[in-house]
Amino acid sequence: GNSVTQMEGPVTLSEEAFLTINCTYTATGYPSLFWYVQYPGEGLQLLLKATKADDKGSNKGFEATYRKETTSFHLEKGSVQVSDSAVYFCALSNTNAGKSTFGDGTTLTVKP
Amino acid sequence: DAGVIQSPRHEVTEMGQEVTLRCKPISGHDYLFWYRQTMMRGLELLIYFNNNVPIDDSGMPEDRFSAKMPNASFSTLKIQPSEPRDSAVYFCASSQTGRDQPQHFGDGTRLSIL
Repeated sequence: GNSVTQMEGPVTLSEEAFLTINCTYTATGYPSLFWYVQYPGEGLQLLLKATKADDKGSNKGFEATYRKETTSFHLEKGSVQVSDSAVYFCALSNTNAGKSTFGDGTTLTVKP
Repeated sequence: DAGVIQSPRHEVTEMGQEVTLRCKPISGHDYLFWYRQTMMRGLELLIYFNNNVPIDDSGMPEDRFSAKMPNASFSTLKIQPSEPRDSAVYFCASSQTGRDQPQHFGDGTRLSIL
């Protein structure tokens, strides 16, 4: 079956620090990979995605590269801001059925 | 574009009462999902629909939970009777067909059962 493993949190960084949140997956076929972000009191929203090997998804300064050889999709940002404090979810989808498999989420807190 | 709309945003009720949560998906989306989120168990998929037909309800915790989708623009999740352990944030999400299509989430209903 499908599974997504994220690095355990919580992660606490100072403003302008470099961020990496690790995500590895197990899936059959050729999944699409996603990062979602959840701000307090809100639902999850798509941050970025990649649909095939070596694709790089990017948005709002965040990046993640689809690495098939290591089955990974690590999220990175060069300089975090306080406003990036949120919960980040890695997810995959490998069917047309719309159903996704989500990781457990990683809580990021950025301090000024 | 209007996103996924859920109501109510907050619900507080006493144990044993019936609770109905509502969701309006994004127009043109063929899939609708109901999730529950708690600190202890994280994000759990309860049930999902394709073109208004329930596809997989294996995540529904017990018979007290039921979900319907009478048309493409409306779905309900009902708990009867409610129990304190049902307290959680319930999310509705919708998506289009395709493995590259993300899910679009509503802002959730925060449910407290006293």
